[in-house]
Amino acid sequence: DAKTTQPNSMESNEEEPVHLPCNHSTISGTDYIHWYRQLPSQGPEYVIHGLTSNVNNRMASLAIAEDRKSSTLILHRATLRDAAVYYCILDNYGQNFVFGPGTRLSVLP
Amino acid sequence: NAGVTQTPKFQVLKTGQSMTLQCAQDMNHNSMYWYRQDPGMGLRLIYYSASEGTTDKGEVPNGYNVSRLNKREFSLRLESAAPSQTSVYFCALRGGNEQFFGPGTRLTVL
Repeated sequence: DAKTTQPNSMESNEEEPVHLPCNHSTISGTDYIHWYRQLPSQGPEYVIHGLTSNVNNRMASLAIAEDRKSSTLILHRATLRDAAVYYCILDNYGQNFVFGPGTRLSVLP
Repeated sequence: NAGVTQTPKFQVLKTGQSMTLQCAQDMNHNSMYWYRQDPGMGLRLIYYSASEGTTDKGEVPNGYNVSRLNKREFSLRLESAAPSQTSVYFCALRGGNEQFFGPGTRLTVL
């Protein structure tokens, strides 16, 4: 399974943008890049995913490097409710997700 | 529309006791999964089921059995619980590109 590398923790101020990086240098051409987040005492929830192009949805944006060896999840205006562990996962459809330890995001008021 | 439900929410067992964790879905998806999450770590796959009647081992299957008797339900059984199985257990299902997770069962084995 292809691996991802994320910082253990990050901090942000409320209402400021947050850029969460992920390295995936061994990504294959058919791997999708997924982001999930896990709020305290809850199961993970889907945030966004992409293959090659940048993606936007109501929760976040995903910026994918041209060589696809890294990506960045962008929260445009962090709120206290965005404090969570964020997981970057490579998905080759039909195979299983491999969760790393993720990035713990703290949002300061 | 409950999505993914898990029972029980909490459980305390003594070493050697057995129990079954239940997972049910109302989303009509084929693939279902059982994960465990230890403190400060990511989720690890225990077993998965691509469809009714089929199951496969994941990363950490030892000490567990599963059953997928119908499309809606996927159960995880601990035959003889050990303290190393103290963890939070999540059931999930896959629909298209997305996995949907249940609220988890917090299990403590004394």
